[in-house]
Amino acid sequence: NAGVTQTPKFRILKIGQSMTLQCAQDMNHNYMYWYRQDPGMGLKLIYYSVGAGITDKGEVPNGYNVSRSTTEDFPLRLELAAPSQTSVYFCASSYYKFGTGTEAFFGQGTRLTVV
Amino acid sequence: RKEVEQDPGPFNVPEGATVAFNCTYSNSASQSFFWYRQDCRKEPKLLMSVYSSGNEDGRFTAQLNRASQYISLLIRDSKLSDSATYLCVVSSASKIIFGSGTRLSIRP
Repeated sequence: NAGVTQTPKFRILKIGQSMTLQCAQDMNHNYMYWYRQDPGMGLKLIYYSVGAGITDKGEVPNGYNVSRSTTEDFPLRLELAAPSQTSVYFCASSYYKFGTGTEAFFGQGTRLTVV
Repeated sequence: RKEVEQDPGPFNVPEGATVAFNCTYSNSASQSFFWYRQDCRKEPKLLMSVYSSGNEDGRFTAQLNRASQYISLLIRDSKLSDSATYLCVVSSASKIIFGSGTRLSIRP
């Protein structure tokens, strides 16, 4: 099992450019998440999804968009990159059913620099 | 108020010491609880789940107090390799929320 796969691992963007961070999981997890982590700081939830076709905002959604057309994929879109979006982005997934949830499994992260 | 709060540290302790981390959460409907470990520039990885009865895994002991909405992690006989950031994690029906983490540094 590959688990959670994120691409790319590294990216440098110019201000105003757009890009999509890819995330795929092969564990048939219903919940997926996007977090960002600034240097020396904790994880902040950007968006999450409880199933295909359902997404919701987290703590810091501004400047990002997501979609969840399949159970496996949860891409994160940056439309107009800004220096404040320089961060490490982690995708994660978990399984939840009937009041019981598994732990979150993480991808290896995407290190994004906006210049 | 943050949904999950942790003391950020850093904790700097000698090898062999016992160290304890605490965490509080605000959502009384939270259902699952975990401690994660994150090494520098790496993704977080599960250290252990936390159960109401308390649980132990080698040198690590986790406790949950639902009435006080409080989670703890105790590390005994700390090793140099325990140096990392420890994240308190709380899960509800809708999402998983991570604390900002407590940095631990073990010195020889």
